[in-house]
Order: sequence, then C-alpha cells, then structure tokens
Amino acid sequence: KAGVTQTPRYLIKTRGQQVTLSCSPISGHRSVSWYQQTPGQGLQFLFEYFSETQRNKGNFPGRFSGRQFSNSRSEMNVSTLELGDSALYLCASSFHGPGNTIYFGEGSWLTVV
Amino acid sequence: KNQVEQSPQSLIILEGKNCTLQCNYTVSPFSNLRWYKQDTGRGPVSLTIMTFSENTKSNGRYTATLDADTKQSSLHITASQLSDSASYICVVSRDSNYQLIWGAGTKLIIKP
Repeated sequence: KAGVTQTPRYLIKTRGQQVTLSCSPISGHRSVSWYQQTPGQGLQFLFEYFSETQRNKGNFPGRFSGRQFSNSRSEMNVSTLELGDSALYLCASSFHGPGNTIYFGEGSWLTVV
Repeated sequence: KNQVEQSPQSLIILEGKNCTLQCNYTVSPFSNLRWYKQDTGRGPVSLTIMTFSENTKSNGRYTATLDADTKQSSLHITASQLSDSASYICVVSRDSNYQLIWGAGTKLIIKP
C-alpha cells in the first residue's frame, strides 16, 4: 500500500513568487492536512480538507491556501512568498480526520531566497 | 488555553541506556494522545495512540504511559539504539473538532 506522496521534495523560490505543493494521500483516505515546520520548531497546522471541503484552518495569513480534488489529492499554494516561508511543508492523510491515526508524507522542503 | 508541553527540550544519552520523555497537557475535551517519532528532515511516524481509558501502550522498545487525571504522559525508550536519534513529539487530540495540539518535541541524541 503506497504511503502519502508529496511533490516536489525540494524547491527554491524567489521572494514574491508563488508556489504550489502537491499531496497524494493513502488510497481510501479522505482527510488531508497540511503543516508547516520551520527549523527547530514544532508543527504548525495550516488546514485540513475532507471530501473537497476545508474543515479546519490554522492561524496563517490568506497567502496560504489549499484545495482538495475529488480523488482526495490535495494542493497547497503560497502566494507572494516571504523569506520566513522557508520551511518543511508536511502533508498528512487519514480515513476520517485527525481524530484517527494520521500518516505523514516525507514533506516538501521550500527555500525562499 | 489548550497546550502541550514537553520536557526535556533535548537529551543526550549513551547507546544501550534507557530514557524517559515527558509530556504535560492542558487540552480539553480530551480525545487521545499520540507519540510521534520524527527523523531530521522527514515526516513524523506514529509510535502510539492512547485513549482516555488506556494507561500503557507499547510498541517494541517504546512504552507510553498516560495519566488522564494529572494530564501527563511519558514515553520510555528501552535499550536505546543509534537509530533512536530523532525528535519525539507528543500530540493531543481534542474531542470536539478533531483538532490536534502539537508539542514542540524532545530532540533525542544517542551517542555510541
């Protein structure tokens, strides 16, 4: 059974640009959550999608957005990138939501220069 | 305020020794408590998940305990190995809206 797949694994962007990250959940999982992790910091919750609907949202500015498709795949977008957006972005999937066991992908390393 | 606090922040022990990591939480209403292991630059991997009625749960050399009355949990690692070097994160799930409250983690370094 394939795990959570995130692409790209690494990317470098320039300040002011935008970026789109992709996440394919484990087959059958309908909940996808996104997290930001900066060096030495804990995971910060961005948002959670279930059946194409955003169900929960963390305290991030509107530059951070996401969506989920009918096949449960999800994307997150960050517009007008800032240096502070450099981080590891993690996607996690579960059957019904974070109340169940969640499984993480390997993450996408974003560096903003 | 819903919070999860972990201690120590970092810990260095010799290979083969045991260690215990602590987690205190003030999350309400409580649903479950999880421990994750995160290798540097990788996604976290679930070690254990415990509900209110569970006091102890083991996963190989990892044993988690939960005291729901004092709102404390611990993760005990037995006979540590070099591969145990990682961050260990305590996470508490709220019962109401599936919200997860994440601790900052304990960075464990195992030295040969």
